[in-house]
Amino acid sequence: AQKITQTQPGMFVQEKEAVTLDCTYDTSDPSYGLFWYKQPSSGEMIFLIYQGSYDQQNATEGRYSLNFQKARKSANLVISASQLGDSAMYFCAMREGHNNQGGKLIFGQGTELSVKP
Amino acid sequence: DAGVIQSPRHEVTEMGQEVTLRCKPISGHNSLFWYRQTMMRGLELLIYFNNNVPIDDSGMPEDRFSAKMPNASFSTLKIQPSEPRDSAVYFCASSRGQSGSAQYFGPGTRLLVL
Repeated sequence: AQKITQTQPGMFVQEKEAVTLDCTYDTSDPSYGLFWYKQPSSGEMIFLIYQGSYDQQNATEGRYSLNFQKARKSANLVISASQLGDSAMYFCAMREGHNNQGGKLIFGQGTELSVKP
Repeated sequence: DAGVIQSPRHEVTEMGQEVTLRCKPISGHNSLFWYRQTMMRGLELLIYFNNNVPIDDSGMPEDRFSAKMPNASFSTLKIQPSEPRDSAVYFCASSRGQSGSAQYFGPGTRLLVL
């Protein structure tokens, strides 16, 4: 069963506008972590933001914020004021288990974001 | 601080040859992960270590793949014999191994098996 679903294979956004990348997840574990990574065309994987299942507030890191809706099992990434350098593949990932020391990440299929000038 | 270091960055080999990929995790990180990325299967975990001990190797495709972590600062992923279907980008990542810790990825090794 697909544990992480990213339904948008590709997205376009105008420079300086905000964009939301969707991610839904499936787990029966009450303790889990959600991550977003960026993979530019150069290929490296860049950590962006983390949300724990027990966190009361949505995570934010600069222009990135995570719209965490626990009941709906969604963890959408919001990028504000898009820049040309934001064009990349974005991956949502989940790690199950609070005491799962360094546990593995399960990745979605990714969303390719293109920022238009 | 230096990030995760992987070598080689690119490897082209012929079917049947042995391939060894190397990784140096971030200093102070006690969890190390090997992932493989392909167009067909996306990003998938092969194996991970915690404090140099293999914890989950369920993602290792078959006996042709083996991984070791002889000390906290070095790990290898070996494929012997290699096959064309092993062509992929292999990432090594490390983390502090705590609940909220992110995994930081190396630049990857792009492997092509002819």
